[in-house]
Amino acid sequence: EVQLVGSGGGLVKPGGSLRLSCAASGFTFSNAWMSWVRQAPGKGLEWVGRIKSKTDGGTIDYAAPVKGRFTISRDDSKNTLYLQMNSLKTEDTAVYYCTTPSGHWFDPWGQGTLVTVSS
Amino acid sequence: EIVLTQSPGTLSLSPGERATLSCRASQSVSSNYLAWYQQKPGQAPRLLIYGASSRPTGIPDRFSGSGSGTDFTLTISRLEPEDFAVYYCQQYGSSPPLYTFGQGTKLEIK
Repeated sequence: EVQLVGSGGGLVKPGGSLRLSCAASGFTFSNAWMSWVRQAPGKGLEWVGRIKSKTDGGTIDYAAPVKGRFTISRDDSKNTLYLQMNSLKTEDTAVYYCTTPSGHWFDPWGQGTLVTVSS
Repeated sequence: EIVLTQSPGTLSLSPGERATLSCRASQSVSSNYLAWYQQKPGQAPRLLIYGASSRPTGIPDRFSGSGSGTDFTLTISRLEPEDFAVYYCQQYGSSPPLYTFGQGTKLEIK
C-alpha cells in the first residue's frame, strides 16, 4: 500500500523556520517526482513546489510566493521528502500535503501537517 | 498563468439527484492535463478524474468527467450521501506555477 506520512508541523513565529518531512512507503521513492501542496484554513489548494527524481535530473520548481524562502529536497536512502521553510510569514499558515505528481495530477496524498505562523 | 474558475461556488442538491460541476480555464488546457479531486472535511484530497475523463481504480462509475479546451465538467450521475464534499479541478502547465487549482465547488445537502 502506498503511504505518505507527513510530520514536522507546528507553531512558529513570523520570520522563523521549520522543516517538514514526508516519509514514503509502498512504491519506489527514488523514481518518483514529489510535490508539496498547501491549503490555508478554509481556503483552496495551492501548489508549493516539485522535485523530480535524480534519474530525471532532480530539477526543483517552486511557486512564486515561496521561491527563495522554501527549499525542497529528498533523501532517497531514507525514502523521505523535505520542505525547509525559512522567513515564514503569517500567510504561510496552512496544512501542507506531500503528494506524488503521477503524470500531471496528484495521487496519492499524505495526511497533511499543519503549520501555523503567528506571534 | 492559467486560471481555473469553478462554478457554482456552492451547489445544493439532494441524494439521488445529478450534479454538474464546471471548471473553466483562462486559456486552452490539454485534456491530458486536467484532473478533479474530492475533499472531505479534515481529509486530504482524493483523485477522482485524470486526463479530463479517466477514473482511477476504485472510483465509482457515477463520477464522470468531460470537456476540452477551456471548458470541463465533472458529473455525478446519482448523488450518494458520501458525495457531499468540496471538489477541485487542477491543471498542469509547462511553466511555473506548474500546477494550478480551481477555487473549489462545495456540494452540500439540500
